[in-house]
Amino acid sequence: TQLLEQSPQFLSIQEGENLTVYCNSSSVFSSLQWYRQEPGEGPVLLVTVVTGGEVKKLKRLTFQFGDARKDSSLHITAAQPGDTGLYLCAGTNTNAGKSTFGDGTTLTVKP
Amino acid sequence: NAGVTQTPKFQVLKTGQSMTLQCAQDMNHNSMYWYRQDPGMGLRLIYYSASEGTTDKGEVPNGYNVSRLNKREFSLRLESAAPSQTSVYFCASRTGWSGGSPLHFGNGTRLTVT
Repeated sequence: TQLLEQSPQFLSIQEGENLTVYCNSSSVFSSLQWYRQEPGEGPVLLVTVVTGGEVKKLKRLTFQFGDARKDSSLHITAAQPGDTGLYLCAGTNTNAGKSTFGDGTTLTVKP
Repeated sequence: NAGVTQTPKFQVLKTGQSMTLQCAQDMNHNSMYWYRQDPGMGLRLIYYSASEGTTDKGEVPNGYNVSRLNKREFSLRLESAAPSQTSVYFCASRTGWSGGSPLHFGNGTRLTVT
């Protein structure tokens, strides 16, 4: 089983602060996805990264895939209360088709 | 578009009872998945169906069975519920087998086994 470790598990910050969430594995993935989940709902895709070293930006969110395709990070600039939620990373290998999820980072942004 | 629809939304069972969780998607996706989510443990794959007519075990299949009824529907059955199966169950689908396509999730079934 391929494992994905996310850190930190919990993060509570003030509005306007910056933060970074990490997703690490000893395994190589062909693609990695980040999802955001709100209470009572299913996860929703934020981004997919497929190339080692790739950086993608989604407004105030910046996603990076490690050069070796074993790790990824999510950086949020000037966090807002609307960013509150559970952030999940998921790695997949093309020939398997199954996604392995990390345990998630619960982010709380206080106004 | 409804996307992925799960029923029921909530269920309480007594130990030993059986039930089937229903999942349907209207996006013409080939692959469908069942996950369970427990506090602090992310999402763990129970069973999946790469395409209509095929099913396979995931990480935590014990105590569950599945049926891919047709391309749209993928059900999860608990034959004899146990308290350890108290969890939130999510059904998901994606276009194909490639990991690059996004998973689309339903809103979950919250199951309590007493």
